[in-house]
Amino acid sequence: DAGVIQSPRHEVTEMGQEVTLRCKPISGHNSLFWYRQTMMRGLELLIYFNNNVPIDDSGMPEDRFSAKMPNASFSTLKIQPSEPRDSAVYFCASSFSPDLFGGPRVDYEQYFGPGTRLTVT
Amino acid sequence: QQPVQSPQAVILREGEDAVINCSSSKALYSVHWYRQKHGEAPVFLMILLKGGEQKGHEKISASFNEKKQQSSLYLTASQLSYSGTYFCGTETGNFGNEKLTFGTGTRLTIIP
Repeated sequence: DAGVIQSPRHEVTEMGQEVTLRCKPISGHNSLFWYRQTMMRGLELLIYFNNNVPIDDSGMPEDRFSAKMPNASFSTLKIQPSEPRDSAVYFCASSFSPDLFGGPRVDYEQYFGPGTRLTVT
Repeated sequence: QQPVQSPQAVILREGEDAVINCSSSKALYSVHWYRQKHGEAPVFLMILLKGGEQKGHEKISASFNEKKQQSSLYLTASQLSYSGTYFCGTETGNFGNEKLTFGTGTRLTIIP
């Protein structure tokens, strides 16, 4: 299996530029998560989708951040405009989850992609 | 609310045991444990579900005390490959909603 695929692996950009991070989840998974990891704040959930629908975006820090999942095999996280404090490693993770709204509960694990290291200068 | 992990860091000799604790201020539905090696992505270790169900992939064990809102990860006869940062991720509420809040991590170093 290919696992979760993220691109680019490294991104260096100047303050004010638009940054787009991409994620391809594992085939068959129906939940997708975007995390940000920094030394100061640790691993934070930004947003997650279930069946391509955003379920919780309360972790998105500001309106400069937006995420989309146009289909089951692709998601983007966009930062516009970028700022130096956005520098972090951004992880995408996917899992198979039951119906959140009343379906039987089964166990799941989140499979993380390799991450995108973003540096904003 | 971010769960609190303890200790923050621990150094062990190969073959020694370690316990990593995770405490939450909220009622827990499940606790997930992940290990992250430097420069790599977190890797799933184990899930403990409310009601006692436990699922994992490696020869590690863990406990989940729902009343105390705590979980502990037990690493016995540690190997060099156990080195890394361990994170607990907690899912709160009565029914769960997939949303994990991760602790600050425990850095484990195993020396020969």
